[in-house]
Amino acid sequence: EPEVTQTPSHQVTQMGQEVILRCVPISNHLYFYWYRQILGQKVEFLVSFYNNEISEKSEIFDDQFSVERPDGSNFTLKIRSTKLEDSAMYFCASSEVGGSEQFFGPGTRLTVL
Amino acid sequence: AQSVTQLDSHVSVSEGTPVLLRCNYSSSYSPSLFWYVQHPNKGLQLLLKYTSAATLVKGINGFEAEFKKSETSFHLTKPSAHMSDAAEYFCVVSDNSGGSNYKLTFGKGTLLTVNP
Repeated sequence: EPEVTQTPSHQVTQMGQEVILRCVPISNHLYFYWYRQILGQKVEFLVSFYNNEISEKSEIFDDQFSVERPDGSNFTLKIRSTKLEDSAMYFCASSEVGGSEQFFGPGTRLTVL
Repeated sequence: AQSVTQLDSHVSVSEGTPVLLRCNYSSSYSPSLFWYVQHPNKGLQLLLKYTSAATLVKGINGFEAEFKKSETSFHLTKPSAHMSDAAEYFCVVSDNSGGSNYKLTFGKGTLLTVNP
């Protein structure tokens, strides 16, 4: 069964450093999403992406964040200058065109020291 | 705007007894509703979904949920709990407002503990 994959599973970085989280969505899906879950809190929407542009973003998704689909398979989330409060589990998801069911990857745990 | 309220942060049941995880939602439009499960150190797995078809939805592992518009509820049930059901459960709403983004809004989660 097709699945969303994410790398790395765990990323440790120093405050102020740039990180790139990678996702490979399901191959025939065209809508891509990033969510995050700070430890002990609920999963929060960050951004949705379609046709090589951001469709919607939350208040959390400020200028420090960016997304990109650099090739036909990867979907990345970049945090330019990480803060302690960026420590969280980041989930990538994808969905078919017009579909509402989103398939989630296993997540990347980001730890900012 | 859409929101989800999961009424219990923690539910504890004995193995073999029924499970009830409560969820109320708010949505400006006709919503799609989901339950996702997250086992420790694992990703989010879809249990079931409601997308304006039958109001009683059956999912995986014996779970089901009933959409009640009059009560704005989408409670998750299972007749008999199994030890492997111990996990965090999230009620999720998607606002089908005509946009094609289907942004998901999550509840805070209910931790289900199953005692032997």
